Amino acid sequence: GENVEQHPSTLSVQEGDSAVIKCTYSDSASNYFPWYKQELGKRPQLIIDIRSNVGEKKDQRIAVTLNKTAKHFSLHITETQPEDSAVYFCAAGYSSASKIIFGSGTRLSIRP
Amino acid sequence: NAGVTQTPKFQVLKTGQSMTLQCAQDMNHEYMSWYRQDPGMGLRLIHYSVGAGITDQGEVPNGYNVSRSTTEDFPLRLLSAAPSQTSVYFCASRPGGPGETQYFGPGTRLLVL
Repeated sequence: GENVEQHPSTLSVQEGDSAVIKCTYSDSASNYFPWYKQELGKRPQLIIDIRSNVGEKKDQRIAVTLNKTAKHFSLHITETQPEDSAVYFCAAGYSSASKIIFGSGTRLSIRP
Repeated sequence: NAGVTQTPKFQVLKTGQSMTLQCAQDMNHEYMSWYRQDPGMGLRLIHYSVGAGITDQGEVPNGYNVSRSTTEDFPLRLLSAAPSQTSVYFCASRPGGPGETQYFGPGTRLLVL
């Protein structure tokens, strides 16, 4: 069945440095890859997404890249700030079944 | 718009009890889903619906039932609660297929003793 693997499970970076979170997916028919940020006690919120006809997308300090051949996609956060501390989830949309499957999450901590 | 709403916010059940978690959205979204969130396991899809009268199973459907009689509401039923169902439950909705932004409700924290 469909599966999304996410690494690492925890990540600690110095403020101002970059953070990279990687995901792989199992079904080559996947065509939509959103990233969500979840702060403690809050609901997940979409921060960026990419569709399969695009290789890279940027929004200020956040970028996502997609390699469909390898079935990999990654989240890049540059110039990290304390407010970037949260749990980040990748996900893959499976159009044939109309469902979105999530990775297990990455807890990102920004050290001052 | 209220967006996606969930009730209750918190619930304690005894093993074997039944209950319904409510989810409603006022954005006229066709697609709705239920996820459970457990530490270290991310968000796992329980059931989803692509429109009124249409539901399907996700990754972890056992022990849960759903129905979709209207576009707005998508309740999740626990017929006989078990301690393994202790979790935070999120309802989500989106306008159409996977390419549309999915919005989450505030969550329901469930404790089964």
